[in-house]
Amino acid sequence: KAGVTQTPRYLIKTRGQQVTLSCSPISGHRSVSWYQQTPGQGLQFLFEYFSETQRNKGNFPGRFSGRQFSNSRSEMNVSTLELGDSALYLCASSWDRSEKLFFGSGTQLSVL
Amino acid sequence: GESVGLHLPTLSVQEGDNSIINCAYSNSASDYFIWYKQESGKGPQFIIDIRSNMDKRQGQRVTVLLNKTVKHLSLQIAATQPGDSAVYFCAEKVGGSYIPTFGRGTSLIVHP
Repeated sequence: KAGVTQTPRYLIKTRGQQVTLSCSPISGHRSVSWYQQTPGQGLQFLFEYFSETQRNKGNFPGRFSGRQFSNSRSEMNVSTLELGDSALYLCASSWDRSEKLFFGSGTQLSVL
Repeated sequence: GESVGLHLPTLSVQEGDNSIINCAYSNSASDYFIWYKQESGKGPQFIIDIRSNMDKRQGQRVTVLLNKTVKHLSLQIAATQPGDSAVYFCAEKVGGSYIPTFGRGTSLIVHP
């Protein structure tokens, strides 16, 4: 069974640009969560989607948004990029209730 | 690769030693706990979990101990191998919540 797939693997953007990251969950998983990982802050929860609905949201500004499609694939978007948005963005999928998360390898975003 | 190991507590051990990684959790209402392992360039990977009605749970070469009195969780790795070198995260979840809260992580370095 294929694991969680995130694309692209690496991304370099400049301040003010926007970016879209993609996540394909494990087949059958309907919950998709997004996390931001930085050396200083660790793993910070962004949002969680279930059946195309945002079920939970972390404490991030409105520049961070996401969506989930009917096939459970998810995208997250960051608009008006700032230097501080440089991080590893991780997607995780699960059956439900996020008890056991299966993570992708992440997208490493660098904002210059 | 990602610099997720910066600013983290570090545990250095020799190959073959037993390792103990500790975690203090924050919410006395948490009833489910998980340990994840993150190798360089990869997303976190589930290792073992434990519910609050248990004090100890064993897996293959790993044991998790839970002390609810002092809100402390530990991961013991027997006969540590170089392949165990990674960052280890504990996560806690309150019943009814969909979202686990991750600890800051501990970097384990195994010397051959």
